[in-house]
Amino acid sequence: NAGVTQTPKFRVLKTGQSMTLLCAQDMNHEYMYWYRQDPGMGLRLIHYSVGEGTTAKGEVPDGYNVSRLKKQNFLLGLESAAPSQTSVYFCASSPGTTSYNEQFFGPGTRLTVL
Amino acid sequence: GQNIDQPTEMTATEGAIVQINCTYQTSGFNGLFWYQQHAGEAPTFLSYNVLDGLEEKGRFSSFLSRSKGYSYLLLKELQMKDSASYLCAVIDSNYQLIWGAGTKLIIKP
Repeated sequence: NAGVTQTPKFRVLKTGQSMTLLCAQDMNHEYMYWYRQDPGMGLRLIHYSVGEGTTAKGEVPDGYNVSRLKKQNFLLGLESAAPSQTSVYFCASSPGTTSYNEQFFGPGTRLTVL
Repeated sequence: GQNIDQPTEMTATEGAIVQINCTYQTSGFNGLFWYQQHAGEAPTFLSYNVLDGLEEKGRFSSFLSRSKGYSYLLLKELQMKDSASYLCAVIDSNYQLIWGAGTKLIIKP
């Protein structure tokens, strides 16, 4: 099992460009999440999904969109990148709604917006 | 608002014991996780507490007091590879994970 994978691993964008980050999991998990992690701050939830075809906003959703067309994939889109979106982006997945809901993380995508 | 506090950085000596504290104020409580994150890598699961008391797993132990909104992670027989950030996260009443900023642990020989 590959677990949770993310592509790309690194990306540099210019302000105003768009891109999509892809997350895939092979554990048949219902829940998937997108986080950003900035120096000195905790992981901040951008969007999440509780199942195929569903998405919901997290703590910092502005400037991002997501889609979950297939259970195993969760896409994060930046329509018009801004320097404030320079960050490390982590995707995670978890089995479901029980309180013991360990999240499994992908390796991260390091995004720089110039 | 919801808040999780951890020390920003701690230093300890190889072979010693270190305790990393976490205090939380959240809307409800459905469990607490500790994750380890090496520099440049993804967080990985260390422990889970939902009831008061101590959970031991090898060199690592985690303690929870729900009445005090307090947890700690205890690392024994420290090794150089334990140099990492340790993240505390609480499951709130909506079953969302609220993350602390993490404690960077530096191990010196």
